[in-house]
Amino acid sequence: GAVVSQHPSWVICKSGTSVKIECRSLDFQATTMFWYRQFPKQSLMLMATSNEGSKATYEQGVEKDKFLINHASLTLSTLTVTSAHPEDSSFYICSAPFRTGHSNQPQHFGDGTRLSIL
Amino acid sequence: AQTVTQSQPEMSVQEAETVTLSCTYDTSESDYYLFWYKQPPSRQMILVIRQEAYKQQNATENRFSVNFQKAAKSFSLKISDSQLGDAAMYFCAYRSASATYKYIFGTGTRLKVLA
Repeated sequence: GAVVSQHPSWVICKSGTSVKIECRSLDFQATTMFWYRQFPKQSLMLMATSNEGSKATYEQGVEKDKFLINHASLTLSTLTVTSAHPEDSSFYICSAPFRTGHSNQPQHFGDGTRLSIL
Repeated sequence: AQTVTQSQPEMSVQEAETVTLSCTYDTSESDYYLFWYKQPPSRQMILVIRQEAYKQQNATENRFSVNFQKAAKSFSLKISDSQLGDAAMYFCAYRSASATYKYIFGTGTRLKVLA
C-alpha cells in the first residue's frame, strides 16, 4: 500500500539553528503534501499545503519565513524550521493523498518528527 | 468555514465491551468525506474508517462502524468488542469533496481500555 516516509523521527538541537524535515512518498507520486503541527495532547493543526513545482500555501497565522517548504519533486517535500526556538518544539507530521482517480482516497501520514529545541 | 467538534476529551471502556465516540461537524457543503483516525502512543496516524457523504449506508470495518446522520451533521464511531490495542487518541476528520484533499481535524478523544 501507499507509504509516506518522514525523516528524521526525532531531532534535538540548539536554539538558533535551522532544522530540515523530509517527507517522501515511497511508492506513489504526490503533487500535494500537507504539513501538520501537533502540540502534546492536542489535535493536528494544518500548517501548509506543499505543491510540487510551485509555492506552498500557508494557513493563517503560520509564518512563511519561519517554516520554509520546498516541494521540488513528485516524491519529496521538505519543511525547514529556520532559526528554531524552544517555542517551535513540537511534533510535525506530513501527509500525502494517494490518488487513484477516486476522490474519496484518504491521506497517508508519515510517522512524524519530534522536534526539541534546547 | 467548516468545523469539527469532538465533545468527549476522554472515554473509558471495559475490554470486550462496546463504546461510541461522538463527532459533529458544521458545513454548508453537500458533498464531502468523513474519516476516523487512530493515533496510538507511537503517534502514527492510522485510518480506521471513512464515509462518503453521498452514501446513506453507514460504513463498517470489522469491529468498527459509524453512525452517520447527515441532517444532524453527526458522525459517531462505534467500537465493538473493545481490545487493549484499541487504546489511543481518536480523531474525526472532515474533507470537502471540492478541496485539495485538505483535512479539518477534531480535537480528539482519548480512549482508555480497561482490562
